[in-house]
Amino acid sequence: NAGVTQTPKFQVLKTGQSMTLQCAQDMNHEYMSWYRQDPGMGLRLIHYSVGAGITDQGEVPNGYNVSRSTTEDFPLRLLSAAPSQTSVYFCASSYILESSYNEQFFGPGTRLTVL
Amino acid sequence: AQTVTQSQPEMSVQEAETVTLSCTYDTSENNYYLFWYKQPPSRQMILVIRQEAYKQQNATENRFSVNFQKAAKSFSLKISDSQLGDTAMYFCAFLRNTGGFKTIFGAGTRLFVKA
Repeated sequence: NAGVTQTPKFQVLKTGQSMTLQCAQDMNHEYMSWYRQDPGMGLRLIHYSVGAGITDQGEVPNGYNVSRSTTEDFPLRLLSAAPSQTSVYFCASSYILESSYNEQFFGPGTRLTVL
Repeated sequence: AQTVTQSQPEMSVQEAETVTLSCTYDTSENNYYLFWYKQPPSRQMILVIRQEAYKQQNATENRFSVNFQKAAKSFSLKISDSQLGDTAMYFCAFLRNTGGFKTIFGAGTRLFVKA
């Protein structure tokens, strides 16, 4: 199993450009999420999904869109990049069990710089 | 809203010694889950240990153990016999049980293990 994969690993954008960060998992996990990691702030949840066709907002959703058309894929779209979106982005997935007692499996991260 | 506080931005420990990382959280929930994640320089997020709030017994995983004080809302991580490979960022995280799909992370503690 590849686990959680993310592409690209690094990306540089100019202000106003759009792009999509890709995330895929091969563990048949229902739950997938996107976080951003900034120095001194830990990981903050951007959007999450509990299954195909179902998404919801996290702590910092502004400027980002997501969709979940399949169980495996959960892309994150930046509509018009801003310097404030410079960060490291992590995708994660897990099973949804009755108790929500789940380990999240993380991808390797994407370092995004917006100039 | 839940918050997670890690009051030690950086710590260091000599190889083979014991170190304790602090974490406090704020919640009105009674049932929830707490986690410690490790992020080495490779940037990969790895689950170290987890604790269910309704269990009084502290979780242990080999050299890693927690001191869970529910009334004080404290969840510290003890690393025994520290090894050079323990050098990493450590994040404390909270997940509520009821309708909880939003994991809240602390800002992290950077741990250096010295030879």
